Amino acid sequence: EVQLVESGGGLVQPGGSLRLSCAASGFTFSSHSMSWVRQAPGKGLEWVSYISGSSSITYYADSVKGRFTISRDNAKSSLYLQMESLRAEDTAVYYCASGWGVDFWGQGTLVTVSS
Amino acid sequence: DVVMTQSPLSLPVTLGQPASISCRSSQSLVYSDGNTYFNWFQQRPGQSPRRLIYKVSNRDSGVPDRFSGSGSGTDFTLNISRVEAEDVGVYYCMQYTHWPRTFGQGTKVEIK
Repeated sequence: EVQLVESGGGLVQPGGSLRLSCAASGFTFSSHSMSWVRQAPGKGLEWVSYISGSSSITYYADSVKGRFTISRDNAKSSLYLQMESLRAEDTAVYYCASGWGVDFWGQGTLVTVSS
Repeated sequence: DVVMTQSPLSLPVTLGQPASISCRSSQSLVYSDGNTYFNWFQQRPGQSPRRLIYKVSNRDSGVPDRFSGSGSGTDFTLNISRVEAEDVGVYYCMQYTHWPRTFGQGTKVEIK
């Protein structure tokens, strides 16, 4: 059974940093690209970042480019999102999702940026 | 960026009746390999999104056959042949032909 479990969310002050993790199981992690997608409270879905299976290719939304860094550790079947210079508008539930087609999603982790 | 426009944004439906959601993209979603990379997702209240349809018309495993997807180029439709109570939620379209990936605004399906 495919499982994606996000962690690392919490309350952080504006300008602060946070690192999200996503533990994957039930599939060959290294063979699949991965993405982060976020959802602000009561709002729609916003794609954030993408990483290929080998980590050779990454993409970012303009809203996070230069502040967020996506990475992965295939030996640990884990995906990460390092978030720097956080802003109030980054407040959202962050989901990790597997595959080129964003086919399977985790349960999400809430990030709240507030003073 | 490719803009995805869904309609309607709110869809009250009667149990057992059909429902239809439209999604239009600002650019063609046909990729250079001939495929059209377009998904439909369902998000039930309090849950994570779940993919229903991939590449326009392919149902994911476990998705009831009352859900169907169609369309081409820039115009796409999700049809529910007979709405059931468990279909309540928000439905999103998404394109993954172009970077950045983009979603529609969401269509809220509720029972009348």
